[in-house]
Amino acid sequence: GENVEQHPSTLSVQEGDSAVIKCTYSDSASNYFPWYKQELGKGPQLIIDIRSNVGEKKDQRIAVTLNKTAKHFSLHITETQPEDSAVYFCAVLNPKTSYDKVIFGPGTSLSVIP
Amino acid sequence: SAVISQKPSRDICQRGTSLTIQCQVDSQVTMMFWYRQQPGQSLTLIATANQGSEATYESGFVIDKFPISRPNLTFSTLTVSNMSPEDSSIYLCSVEDHGMGGYTFGSGTRLTVV
Repeated sequence: GENVEQHPSTLSVQEGDSAVIKCTYSDSASNYFPWYKQELGKGPQLIIDIRSNVGEKKDQRIAVTLNKTAKHFSLHITETQPEDSAVYFCAVLNPKTSYDKVIFGPGTSLSVIP
Repeated sequence: SAVISQKPSRDICQRGTSLTIQCQVDSQVTMMFWYRQQPGQSLTLIATANQGSEATYESGFVIDKFPISRPNLTFSTLTVSNMSPEDSSIYLCSVEDHGMGGYTFGSGTRLTVV
């Protein structure tokens, strides 16, 4: 089955610097790649996503890049702010015969130091 | 985007008892998904609930332990049966959000079994 790895597991950056989190997946049939932000005591919130027919997508300070050949995609956060501190999960949608299955990476705990 | 209401938000339960978690969506959805998030861990899919049919369980999860109901297109319940301390986790429901183009999560039910 699909295997999703995520690096690094923890990341600490100074406010204003950039943060990059990378995910790799194993099944080339996977076709949708969302990123979620989870703050303490809350459910995961979708922050950006990309589909397999696109190489890059940007939304203000957040961007996602996809390399289908290498089977990896990355989250880029520029000009980080303390409120960016959270756990970030990448996920992969793996189409199955009867339903699409979203598989999550292990998560990255991001700390933005003021 | 879809709005998901999940109840209860948290509970402390005695071992050997059962807890039923409710998930209400403000729009009709075909599939509803139930996840478990163990402390400090990522999200693991328990089962997929399709209205009018039996839920589909992932490897390692069985219907006797996690019975699911899906009586209509906006509501589902997950029961955690015969609980043990190992069942202490956050349980989340999720739906495919056609308005947003991704998957939306409820805020979760934080379960502690003593």
